[in-house]
Amino acid sequence: KQEVTQIPAALSVPEGENLVLNCSFTDSAIYNLQWFRQDPGKGLTSLLLIQSSQREQTSGRLNASLDKSSGRSTLYIAASQPGDSATYLCAVSPGAGGTSYGKLTFGQGTILTVHP
Amino acid sequence: KAGVTQTPRYLIKTRGQQVTLSCSPISGHRSVSWYQQTPGQGLQFLFEYFSETQRNKGNFPGRFSGRQFSNSRSEMNVSTLELGDSALYLCASSLLGRGNEQFFGPGTRLTVL
Repeated sequence: KQEVTQIPAALSVPEGENLVLNCSFTDSAIYNLQWFRQDPGKGLTSLLLIQSSQREQTSGRLNASLDKSSGRSTLYIAASQPGDSATYLCAVSPGAGGTSYGKLTFGQGTILTVHP
Repeated sequence: KAGVTQTPRYLIKTRGQQVTLSCSPISGHRSVSWYQQTPGQGLQFLFEYFSETQRNKGNFPGRFSGRQFSNSRSEMNVSTLELGDSALYLCASSLLGRGNEQFFGPGTRLTVL
């Protein structure tokens, strides 16, 4: 059974800092990994999708890396801003075979606070 | 392009009642998945529909059911509500399901009294 862990559970940083959020998964047979952000009481916003064959993806100030063999992914946020404050979730999609279509397994998230 | 929409946004029900939630996926998307989010359990997969067929189901009791229509819109139903069913219910749509980027709606906040 796939399990996803995110460290740290919470992070508070001053504006302008670069930061790294960590995600690990127990079964390396994944199809892809997706990073989301969630604002309080809202739905999830997709940030980055990394296919299992890729090593990293970049979007603006965000960079996500994937090391499938070791079961790890990191989300790097450059020059953090107060507007980045949210919960960040990573989720993995199961690998080839089986019938686990459309099923994402989520971590518990990292609550990020960026203070001015 | 319109995003995923969910209705209603908020619901208050009492124990024993039933409820139906609706999800309209992004135009052209054929896969719809449902998730339950609670503070204690986080995000848990309920089920996924593709072309009106349930392809996968999570570990939830039979009180939770769903369906998908020919226009890809989906509904989920919870019968005989329990206090523990209070949660944010999120639906996600993707082009084909597995391997595709999933886009989430704003969720329906269900409170069971």
